[in-house]
Amino acid sequence: DTAVSQTPKYLVTQMGNDKSIKCEQNLGHDTMYWYKQDSKKFLKIMFSYNNKELIINETVPNRFSPKSPDKAHLNLHINSLELGDSAVYFCASSQGTGDSEAFFGQGTRLTVV
Amino acid sequence: GNSVTQMEGPVTLSEEAFLTINCTYTATGYPSLFWYVQYPGEGLQLLLKATKADDKGSNKGFEATYRKETTSFHLEKGSVQVSDSAVYFCALSELGFQKLVFGTGTRLLVSP
Repeated sequence: DTAVSQTPKYLVTQMGNDKSIKCEQNLGHDTMYWYKQDSKKFLKIMFSYNNKELIINETVPNRFSPKSPDKAHLNLHINSLELGDSAVYFCASSQGTGDSEAFFGQGTRLTVV
Repeated sequence: GNSVTQMEGPVTLSEEAFLTINCTYTATGYPSLFWYVQYPGEGLQLLLKATKADDKGSNKGFEATYRKETTSFHLEKGSVQVSDSAVYFCALSELGFQKLVFGTGTRLLVSP
């Protein structure tokens, strides 16, 4: 049973389109995250939600809008996609304390053409 | 702000060689330190962690010791296997800050 699952795994789309990535965790964690991994494998946090509330927004363009309908789900909607949005997006969850392990999904490889 | 610096790769080793991947950090408080591993096509998995100074994290033959005096958390393994080939990320997290700050990752390639 997958702990953190995100869909789709691959997403190829044209510039200007709007797309969503879904994420669900079955670990009972309070905190969920979106991370972006660029082509050089660098990982940077985008958003953090705790109990459905936005905690961290790391200067991400407002074309990116996370939505948390409940604490087990954190979806990412991206408007007006740009070439520079091409990356692998990882969803993760944790208990939310500083020393707790984060569990990552398998990633969504987004390619904007 | 908080940051993590780790050695650039790729690190190329033969099977059974000794591995060290260096990691140093900058933090304003007392962070927890982690090593995550990413196998090809997969998400990150926690490899080991340490939550306070002088703690040693260990798992699957890998070890790292939290050195506050040198702000380091170097990853070591005495004898690597081909199956250890992956990208290794050093990361920190401070209590109350609900995010991980990652280093740039180090690719390890182990040949038979």
